[in-house]
Amino acid sequence: KQEVTQIPAALSVPEGENLVLNCSFTDSAIYNLQWFRQDPGKGLTSLLLIQSSQREQTSGRLNASLDKSSGRSTLYIAASQPGDSATYLCAVNGNQFYFGTGTSLTVIP
Amino acid sequence: SQTIHQWPATLVQPVGSPLSLECTVEGTSNPNLYWYRQAAGRGLQLLFYSVGIGQISSEVPQNLSASRPQDRQFILSSKKLLLSDSGFYLCAWGGTGGARGVGELFFGEGSRLTVL
Repeated sequence: KQEVTQIPAALSVPEGENLVLNCSFTDSAIYNLQWFRQDPGKGLTSLLLIQSSQREQTSGRLNASLDKSSGRSTLYIAASQPGDSATYLCAVNGNQFYFGTGTSLTVIP
Repeated sequence: SQTIHQWPATLVQPVGSPLSLECTVEGTSNPNLYWYRQAAGRGLQLLFYSVGIGQISSEVPQNLSASRPQDRQFILSSKKLLLSDSGFYLCAWGGTGGARGVGELFFGEGSRLTVL
């Protein structure tokens, strides 16, 4: 069974810092990988989708990479802002969607 | 563009009472629909998925059931709630035409259920 791990569970950084969130998975047979953002008490908002044939995707200050062979993905956030504070989850899409437990990010003004 | 609506947003129910959470999707046809539960400090647990009207697959045996009476409507129900049913319930759609494992996943705003 696919297992998805996100480390660290929580991260606190000062505003303006660049940061990297990690996602690892055990089965490389995937269709794609998706990064989400979740604000407290809200649903998940899709940030980036990387197809299995792609190496990375970019949207604004966000860049997600995928190394399928090693079972790893990273989400890079440039010039972090307090509004980036949220929980970030990755989901691996194989026969079904498998989710990590997320990284809770706090950006300190 | 595609949107998902969930209601109610918040629900407080006594143990043993029935439950009905509704999810509707706009802007797409024949969507694959999912119900997830998110418990505090834990990942998302897939409860049910549906690839078409009347087609429901259960991932976890439990006190809940799901139905899909229309193409873009997905309902989560219970006849008698348990304390352990408390949680944050999320409806999602991803892909169309019954093909699993493809497409991007989109979520509704969620329904917070508290069972007392």
